[in-house]
Amino acid sequence: GENVEQHPSTLSVQEGDSAVIKCTYSDSASNYFPWYKQELGKRPQLIIDIRSNVGEKKDQRIAVTLNKTAKHFSLHITETQPEDSAVYFCAASRANTGNQFYFGTGTSLTVIP
Amino acid sequence: GAVVSQHPSRVICKSGTSVKIECRSLDFQATTMFWYRQFPKQSLMLMATSNEGSKATYEQGVEKDKFLINHASLTLSTLTVTSAHPEDSSFYICSAPPSGGLTRGANVLTFGAGSRLTVL
Repeated sequence: GENVEQHPSTLSVQEGDSAVIKCTYSDSASNYFPWYKQELGKRPQLIIDIRSNVGEKKDQRIAVTLNKTAKHFSLHITETQPEDSAVYFCAASRANTGNQFYFGTGTSLTVIP
Repeated sequence: GAVVSQHPSRVICKSGTSVKIECRSLDFQATTMFWYRQFPKQSLMLMATSNEGSKATYEQGVEKDKFLINHASLTLSTLTVTSAHPEDSSFYICSAPPSGGLTRGANVLTFGAGSRLTVL
């Protein structure tokens, strides 16, 4: 099956700085890559996603990049705010073939005011 | 948007008893649902894929007889932890993609709120 690795496991940044989280995947057939934000004790919430036919996608302060050849994708958060503090998970999936999602190990982001 | 309801949110049980967790898609049909387990400060580990009308598909290392999954209808999947032990204590989360698979721009995987199981 798919193996998704995520780095770093913890990340602290000053408010206003940028944060970058990186993931790699093993299954070249994976073609959909969502990012989820999970606050303590709550369900994961989708924040951004990218499909394999796109190299980059941006939504306000959040962007995701994908390198299919290298099988890695990254989450970029600019102008971080304290409310961005949470655990972030990347995931990889083969769309339309069962839709199993395999998650990375998570990154605990702390934004220091 | 798509809503997945999961119940109960918290359950405490004695060792040796069985616990059932329900996952319902409220405004859409889910032929497939996923069950994840999450340990504190760790990632979501896919346990099994629940398929309406057929047997669940379990991930490697997950005991089928321990974690019984039943997908009784297009809107309901249940996970039963049988003969629970303290090591089964965890946060269990279900999720469902909308019927028909991924669609452009859709929030494609909707999570339940999770169930925190504590086995004494």
